Formats: sequence, C-alpha cells, structure tokens
Amino acid sequence: SQQGEEDPQALSIQEGENATMNCSYKTSINNLQWYRQNSGRGLVHLILIRSNEREKHSGRLRVTLDTSKKSSSLLITASRAADTASYFCAVGSGNTGKLIFGQGTTLQVKP
Amino acid sequence: NAGVMQNPRHLVRRRGQEARLRCSPMKGHSHVYWYRQLPEEGLKFMVYLQKENIIDESGMPKERFSAEFPKEGPSILRIQQVVRGDSAAYFCASSREPGLYSNYGYTFGSGTRLTVV
Repeated sequence: SQQGEEDPQALSIQEGENATMNCSYKTSINNLQWYRQNSGRGLVHLILIRSNEREKHSGRLRVTLDTSKKSSSLLITASRAADTASYFCAVGSGNTGKLIFGQGTTLQVKP
Repeated sequence: NAGVMQNPRHLVRRRGQEARLRCSPMKGHSHVYWYRQLPEEGLKFMVYLQKENIIDESGMPKERFSAEFPKEGPSILRIQQVVRGDSAAYFCASSREPGLYSNYGYTFGSGTRLTVV
C-alpha cells in the first residue's frame, strides 16, 4: 500500500527541545502532507510539500522530503506544551486523489 | 466560513439500528472524504465523493455501509444494522481540488463519535 508510516510511534520531550518525526511511504507521490490531531478532535492541515521540493518551512515547522528514499521528516523547533498532539503524514494514493494516512506519532511536550 | 460541519457530534445506537452521519463541506469545496478512526489508531479511508458521484469507495465495507453526496444538501454516511465493531470516530474532510493535487490539503470536521451498545 502507499500508506505513510511514521516513526517513532510516541515521543516525549521537554518544552524548548526540538521534536523530529519521520514518515516513509512506498510508491511515487504528487505531494506529502502533515496533519496534527489534538485528542478527540479533527485533523488540522499543517504543511504540504510537493514531490519536486526538498524542504519547506512554516513558522516553527520544517519539513523535508527525500523522494529517493521515499521518506519525509517533520521537525518542530522550540517545542511548547501546546504542541502536544498526534501528528500524521498523508500521501496521495492512486488516480483518484484520496489521501492515505499513517498511524501517527504521538508527541508529548512536558512543561 | 464555518468550515466542515459534522453532525451529530455523538451518536449512540443499539445493535441492529441504523446510523446516519452528516457532513457539510466548506463553502466552495466539492470533494468530500470519509475516514474512520479507531481508538489509538490512524485514519482509515472509506470513501471519496464528488457532487452526486462516488469517486472511490475502495475503503467501504461491502455490506451495510453506503455514502452519498447529493446535488443539494450534506454528504451522508449511512450504516445499516450497526454492530459493536462499528463503534469509532467518523471524520469527514473536504477540499476544493482532489486531495492528491490540492495545494492546501484537506479541511476536516470535528467528527462523529458513534457508540454501538
């Protein structure tokens, strides 16, 4: 399947530290997207990186994409307790345009 | 712009009853996606619809589940004769373009939590 797979499954850090989450996928993609989910809530789109891009920034977020390794990473710098959430990568699948989500990384930022 | 609206937020059904979940996409969005999420798991794709058309239903169980997105009104995910295993959070998302080509990703609703007792 083209499902994105994140690692680690869970990550616990202190406020102020950086958090890095990784995502691997299996086939060619048009773009890769990262989403965040607070407990019990819907997902929120964070950032999208196209297949011809290698790096993208948005505020404290930095996403890299290595299409040769079929992997992406999400870096959150200077983490805050409010960053505590689950983070999912998503990749396009097939010709219909739907996104397939990975299992997610649960991030806990301790104050 | 109220975003993607899902209702109800919580739904309790007895085994064998029917569950109807509604989703109104963001204004201007004609692509709707339904996902199911079990506790501590990721989102599982169910169905992708565009106005009056089912584009991809490869994630839908073969029986008891159906979805529609009529010309007027919200998208409906219908589960007939619910069983305990249907208990989950059901999320709807919408986009202006197909997700694969979208510049902005999906906009998600807050979900419907279905509990089958």
